[in-house]
Parts: sequence; structure tokens; C-alpha cells
Amino acid sequence: AQSVTQLDSQVPVFEEAPVELRCNYSSSVSVYLFWYVQYPNQGLQLLLKYLSGSTLVKGINGFEAEFNKSQTSFHLRKPSVHISDTAEYFCAVRPSGNTGKLIFGQGTTLQVKP
Amino acid sequence: DAGVIQSPRHEVTEMGQEVTLRCKPISGHDYLFWYRQTMMRGLELLIYFNNNVPIDDSGMPEDRFSAKMPNASFSTLKIQPSEPRDSAVYFCASSFSLGVGGYTFGSGTRLTVV
Repeated sequence: AQSVTQLDSQVPVFEEAPVELRCNYSSSVSVYLFWYVQYPNQGLQLLLKYLSGSTLVKGINGFEAEFNKSQTSFHLRKPSVHISDTAEYFCAVRPSGNTGKLIFGQGTTLQVKP
Repeated sequence: DAGVIQSPRHEVTEMGQEVTLRCKPISGHDYLFWYRQTMMRGLELLIYFNNNVPIDDSGMPEDRFSAKMPNASFSTLKIQPSEPRDSAVYFCASSFSLGVGGYTFGSGTRLTVV
């Protein structure tokens, strides 16, 4: 079975500062990894994904994440945040291959302050 | 494509009443998922379908919950009888081939049981 731990429930940051949202996972098999964003009163949107290949993946809105197999982590980063990035961010994992379901972490609320 | 469409957006009902939530997935997607989101438990997968067939309903909390997918373009989640602890946001999502490309989420139905 797989599990996901998002280490911070809330991350406050000032506008234009860098941010890192942390995600660790547990799995006995190889996995695909995802980050989703949820704006208030909306559904989740895919930010980026890691399937294979380069461990640094770039997504929408200037976000990127790095897959670290040895540390079983997939941290999300942005060098300079905007007020509009205020949202909840979810890390998710599922087994690679054509089987299994997507398991979400508990979410991290990013609060960007002016 | 209009995306995943859920209805209603908001539902307020009295305890004991039957509630039906509806979902229209993206055309061509062969997987459909129902999630429930609460502050206490985060995002929980309730059930998912592949080609209209239920594959895993282990997340359905009780027999009061049932889900159907009579055809590729429509699914329902029914709660009968409803209880206050069922109050949550219910999301439907669809994907092609188990979501390697990510899931597409609807905007959710906010259910309040009083």
C-alpha cells in the first residue's frame, strides 16, 4: 500500500518570496507522483506530475518539483510566489503501471501575504 | 470539452432524506472516481469505475451510500438515509487510463445535512 505525508498543514509566506511545500511518500513499489492545487470553492487541478525520467519536473504557474527516490520525497517549489498562489496544495501517489488508485496527502494551505 | 460536470453545486437536506449527487465525466475518459472531502479526514476515495463497472468500493463508508454508472456519460452517488456526519464536499473526477495524465475534477457538490 502507498501513503503520502505532507509535512506542513499551513505555510505562510510573503509575496515574491520563495516557497517549498514538502511531501514524503511510502511505497514498496515504484510510483507515479503528482501535485494538485485547489483554489477556494473549486475542484483540484493538476499542477505537475512525475512518471519517469528527469527527476526535476516543471508544471504550470511557475511551480516545479524534484523527485528524490532515496529520500522518498517530492517537494514542490516556486522561486517567487504571488497572492494568486494562495490555495491548498495536495501531493498524491499511485503505483506505476496500469493498476492502483491515486492516494492524496492531507494537503498544505499556502497563504501568501502582501 | 466542458470538463467534469457535477450537480447540484450545493445541497441542503434534512437528516433522513435521500440525497442524489450527479456527475458527467469528460467524454472518452474510461475511469470515474468519487471522492469526499472534509476538514477532519481530507480527501477520501469512495469508489471508482472503469468502463462503467465498479472496481473498488472499499472506501464507501456504509450501506447508506451507493453509486451507479449506467452509461459512460453519467454517474450518481446516493445517500439514503442521510445523516449530519455526511456533510462534506463530494467530488467526481474522471481520467483516461487510470490517470497517468492526471485526473480532471469537477467543481464539487457541497452537501449539508441538518
